[in-house]
Amino acid sequence: AQSVTQLDSHVSVSEGTPVLLRCNYSSSYSPSLFWYVQHPNKGLQLLLKYTSAATLVKGINGFEAEFKKSETSFHLTKPSAHMSDAAEYFCVVSDPGNQFYFGTGTSLTVIP
Amino acid sequence: EAEVAQSPRYKITEKSQAVAFWCDPISGHATLYWYRQILGQGPELLVQFQDESVVDDSQLPKDRFSAERLKGVDSTLKIQPAELGDSAMYLCASSNHRVSDYNEQFFGPGTRLTVL
Repeated sequence: AQSVTQLDSHVSVSEGTPVLLRCNYSSSYSPSLFWYVQHPNKGLQLLLKYTSAATLVKGINGFEAEFKKSETSFHLTKPSAHMSDAAEYFCVVSDPGNQFYFGTGTSLTVIP
Repeated sequence: EAEVAQSPRYKITEKSQAVAFWCDPISGHATLYWYRQILGQGPELLVQFQDESVVDDSQLPKDRFSAERLKGVDSTLKIQPAELGDSAMYLCASSNHRVSDYNEQFFGPGTRLTVL
């Protein structure tokens, strides 16, 4: 079975400081993992994906994530937060049928 | 850049009324998904289509919800009758999924439903 746990429901950072959003996964298969971002009243936008290539994945807007099999983690990071990063972030694991299993989301607040 | 289209963006209805949502996936995407997202939660899959066929509708409340994708392109999700608990964001997504690949899903802007 596939599942995702996002360890923090809310994260607050100051503008210009690093961002860390934590995600642990469970999968019966070699997983594909994704991070999506959702701004208020908008659809979901793909930030990055891991599909068994390089374990350090770079995405859009300066975000990156590292796949750690031994820790079953796929944490999202960014060196310097921008005000426009304030949004809801979802970690997702997919199964071979391409069904997505979403975490409960992490709300990121960026303080000016 | 191609996008998933949804309409309407917002819908307000009274309970016991019928509502319908429309989705047009990215051209060429054979797989289409409908999700329901309750405020403060992650999206939950309602139904998955591969071309015009339903792959998974195990979480679709079939007593009141129906979905179709007659020509394997655009899709309609209907609720009849609507209940207060149906208030949520309804998201449509599409992917260019093949059996052996893992592909990202592309999401539309969603339809925000409010049932009064």
